[in-house]
Amino acid sequence: KNEVEQSPQNLTAQEGEFITINCSYSVGISALHWLQQHPGGGIVSLFMLSSGKKKHGRLIATINIQEKHSSLHITASHPRDSAVYICAVMKGAQKLVFGQGTRLTINP
Amino acid sequence: DGGITQSPKYLFRKEGQNVTLSCEQNLNHDAMYWYRQDPGQGLRLIYYSQIVNDFQKGDIAEGYSVSREKKESFPLTVTSAQKNPTAFYLCASRRGSTNEKLFFGSGTQLSVL
Repeated sequence: KNEVEQSPQNLTAQEGEFITINCSYSVGISALHWLQQHPGGGIVSLFMLSSGKKKHGRLIATINIQEKHSSLHITASHPRDSAVYICAVMKGAQKLVFGQGTRLTINP
Repeated sequence: DGGITQSPKYLFRKEGQNVTLSCEQNLNHDAMYWYRQDPGQGLRLIYYSQIVNDFQKGDIAEGYSVSREKKESFPLTVTSAQKNPTAFYLCASRRGSTNEKLFFGSGTQLSVL
């Protein structure tokens, strides 16, 4: 079993829908990252969380340390949100463990 | 603009050949990382460096080598000992603290001829 599991693996939705991507992990962590990878391959860091909730524009990330679970929400989704979203957890000082990613497609 | 630059974007390796992937950052970051991405799998750590002239093996270091002679540069050499080198390689950096965001380059796709 992977230390970081994301669900769903693939998600297709219509423009405007509310999107939720889930991340569960099985190890102790110091922080959790949400990343966005576009078709060209480059990765952008969206959030880094160690507790609670963060919001940036239409994106919201939450984490529940006790339940070892994090969610990424997108409100009023748009076709430009189509990308692979990756959850990664920081084990110790330097080791990031990555989930397999969730491929999100938003249709107009 | 500050950022991380990886080159080349595409690279082809012949049998028995060593190839070097470039990673340069002008963010004044102490820590730099190399990851490998295979289809359907999460990124895996090859090597990382927390400071100039020091680097550590990651989970899949066999067949790879790195150097960190300058703070800005962390090149990765894929040696002939790496039998399955075809993958997407990503370089990343961050300031050094565990609670800092990671910045990624745009990646290099390596393929075997």
